Amino acid sequence: LAKTTQPISMDSYEGQEVNITCSHNNIATNDYITWYQQFPSQGPRFIIQGYKTKVTNEVASLFIPADRKSSTLSLPRVSLSDTAVYYCLVGDIGSSASKIIFGSGTRLSIRP
Amino acid sequence: EAGVTQFPSHSVIEKGQTVTLRCDPISGHDNLYWYRRVMGKEIKFLLHFVKESKQDESGMPNNRFLAERTGGTYSTLKVQPAELEDSGVYFCASSREQSGLQTYGYTFGSGTRLTVV
Repeated sequence: LAKTTQPISMDSYEGQEVNITCSHNNIATNDYITWYQQFPSQGPRFIIQGYKTKVTNEVASLFIPADRKSSTLSLPRVSLSDTAVYYCLVGDIGSSASKIIFGSGTRLSIRP
Repeated sequence: EAGVTQFPSHSVIEKGQTVTLRCDPISGHDNLYWYRRVMGKEIKFLLHFVKESKQDESGMPNNRFLAERTGGTYSTLKVQPAELEDSGVYFCASSREQSGLQTYGYTFGSGTRLTVV
């Protein structure tokens, strides 16, 4: 599985747009990019997944440049409830569970 | 649909004692996984059940850990005897497909926080 690098932590304020970038220089042709969100005292929760260009759902947008060596999770107009740890995972969707690496994630703190 | 349920939410035991964690997956999910996060470390895979069979137990740290899934429904993870380094949060997840990276992949439970003193 491609190794990922994310900022350890980020701070922002309510109403702002937050962009979290993940680097995955060794991404393989069959790899997808998946983001999970983990609130305190809960398990990780799927947010969004993409292969290239842009994907948008009701929660977030995922931007993937042409070379796919990085990706950016964009959270529009964050609120206090978006305070969580965000994980970027990269791998073949056929990968076995033992090969999925969560990494350290990015701890996002939203302030009033 | 009901989510993945884990019990207990917290457990504090003394070193040398036995603890059993339980996970009830989403109904119809044949795939069940155990993960754990030891304090300050990353979330790590422990094992994967497909129905009642162990598909992959490469992440189990040692033979003090025993996972079962009789009947292919709920699963238990027993730690016997518990050591201080076993403290952490144990997560269970389930999925319809075998790969957790497929869209919507895993559904995680809220975890069991285990403290060994």
